[in-house]
Order: sequence, then structure tokens, then C-alpha cells
Amino acid sequence: SQKIEQNSEALNIQEGKTATLTCNYTNYSPAYLQWYRQDPGRGPVFLLLIRENEKEKRKERLKVTFDTTLKQSLFHITASQPADSATYLCALQTGANNLFFGTGTRLTVIP
Amino acid sequence: DADVTQTPRNRITKTGKRIMLECSQTKGHDRMYWYRQDPGLGLRLIYYSFDVKDINKGEISDGYSVSRQAQAKFSLSLESAIPNQTALYFCATSDTTGDVTDTQYFGPGTRLTVL
Repeated sequence: SQKIEQNSEALNIQEGKTATLTCNYTNYSPAYLQWYRQDPGRGPVFLLLIRENEKEKRKERLKVTFDTTLKQSLFHITASQPADSATYLCALQTGANNLFFGTGTRLTVIP
Repeated sequence: DADVTQTPRNRITKTGKRIMLECSQTKGHDRMYWYRQDPGLGLRLIYYSFDVKDINKGEISDGYSVSRQAQAKFSLSLESAIPNQTALYFCATSDTTGDVTDTQYFGPGTRLTVL
């Protein structure tokens, strides 16, 4: 069955440093991989999408990489700020099928 | 106003009761989804609908039913609620453009407690 692992349940990082979150998957050939942010008591909010034929995607301080050989995506937040503290979810889509979500990594940026 | 709204936001009910959770959207999207979120299990798909005449079961549909009353409305029912249906429920929408990326827009969630 499909399995998506976000390796760290929680990650603490000092303000100003780069946060790196990992998403690994098995038994997939995803066409797209998406990252979402979820704040406590709120619904997830879409951040970035990367396609299988793309190695890297950037948006402001965010960067996503996608390695289909390693079956892994890395999500980076550079110059992290306390406001970046949230849970980050990765989600995979295969072709026209639905998204499958990981369990998330709770990021805390310490001032 | 929010693009995707859910009512109620919180609900406490008893085992065996029938419960309906409602979702409305103003984004004009064709696709709508219901998920539940449990600690350590992430978001799991219950049902989805690609248009008003299309309803599909997701990963965990047992014990749930849905109704797509209009393009903008998608409701989730628990016919006879049980305690292990206690969870955070999210409605989401997506719009298929030419490349079918299925980026989803979530509502604020409904926290359901079944006693």
C-alpha cells in the first residue's frame, strides 16, 4: 500500500537558520508533490507544488526539491522566523488520482 | 468571507445519533472532498465528488455518507455516530485546470466529539 513518511514529527530550529523537512514515499510514482502549512485549529494551506520532471521549485524563502530516484522531497525554509512555526504536510498525487497526505512535521522556530 | 466554510465548527454528540456536517464554497470549483484528521494518522480521505452527479468513496468511507446538493454544497453524514469517529473533519475543494494538479483549498474544520 502507499506509504508517505515525514521523518520528523517535530523539529525545533533557531530563528534565522534554515529549516529542512523531509518527505519520503514508497510504492508511488507521483506525478506531483505538494506541500501545505497547517496552523493549530485551522485547515491546511497550499504552499508549493513540484512536478515529477522538476528538480527544484522556489517561492520567496521556500524551496522544494523532488528526487524521484530517492523517492524523497525536501522542503526548506531559509532565514526562518517564529511566524513560520506550524505543521507542514506533504501530499502526493499520482496522475489524475487523489492526494495522499503525510502525517506532518511540527516546526517550531525559537526566537 | 471565507472561500470554504464549514458548519458547525464544533459538535459534541452521543453514540448512535445522526450527524450532518455541511460545507459550502464560493470558489466555483467542481471538485469537493471530505477528510478526517486524527493525531498521528494525518489527513485521510472519506469521500470526494468531481461534480454534482459524481460521488466516490475514499480511503475510509465506512460509517459515512455524503450528498452533493449543488456545485457549491457538499455535506457529510454520520448515520449512527460512534466514539471512534471523534476527529477533526475538513472539507476541501479543487479546480482542475489543464494540467490536473489538484491543489486543494481547505475549510476551517469541524471538531466532532462522539461520547
